[in-house]
Amino acid sequence: GAVVSQHPSWVICKSGTSVKIECRSLDFQATTMFWYRQFPKQSLMLMATSNEGSKATYEQGVEKDKFLINHASLTLSTLTVTSAHPEDSSFYICSAPAAGTSKKTQYFGPGTRLLVL
Amino acid sequence: KNQVEQSPQSLIILEGKNCTLQCNYTVSPFSNLRWYKQDTGRGPVSLTIMTFSENTKSNGRYTATLDADTKQSSLHITASQLSDSASYICVVSGSTTSGTYKYIFGTGTRLKVLA
Repeated sequence: GAVVSQHPSWVICKSGTSVKIECRSLDFQATTMFWYRQFPKQSLMLMATSNEGSKATYEQGVEKDKFLINHASLTLSTLTVTSAHPEDSSFYICSAPAAGTSKKTQYFGPGTRLLVL
Repeated sequence: KNQVEQSPQSLIILEGKNCTLQCNYTVSPFSNLRWYKQDTGRGPVSLTIMTFSENTKSNGRYTATLDADTKQSSLHITASQLSDSASYICVVSGSTTSGTYKYIFGTGTRLKVLA
């Protein structure tokens, strides 16, 4: 099946720094990718929809200037957590619908665990 | 309001036993319903996907059912194994007025299988 990768798998950073997380579709093109955040023992919460060649669509309550999304190509979307704070520590997951599946199947990346000290 | 509710919130069973997880939804219009398995610290992996016309779908020891009239789904795990210990997430998809898809996630059921 389709594969989605994320890099890095985990990152530790100091408060105030920015962190970039990459999401790649390895064997298919994705005009749309989704970014989620998951806190311990909670379900995934959609943060934003990344659209290739256009601006991302953010969910209510998600700061677009805080979480910068760039979908520069059909296989790569990046999420940058700017001026990270300890409360941004979370598990960030991306997903992409595989082409030719009528948008039925979402393939998820393995996730990136962010710890802000 | 589009919602997906799962029960139980957590479940502990002995290895070899069967169990059933529930998912109730109010998403409209409905497109499809999927069950995912998420191991701790990993991304979700798809188990089954069902559209409006499908009542049941199996994937090995996992069998999902869907009742579109009552808006309920269940995931039955047969002869549980230690490796089944994970969170199981029900995700309901609905189309929006702009033609895109909206994915509503349930809060998940955390399953622990004991030896």
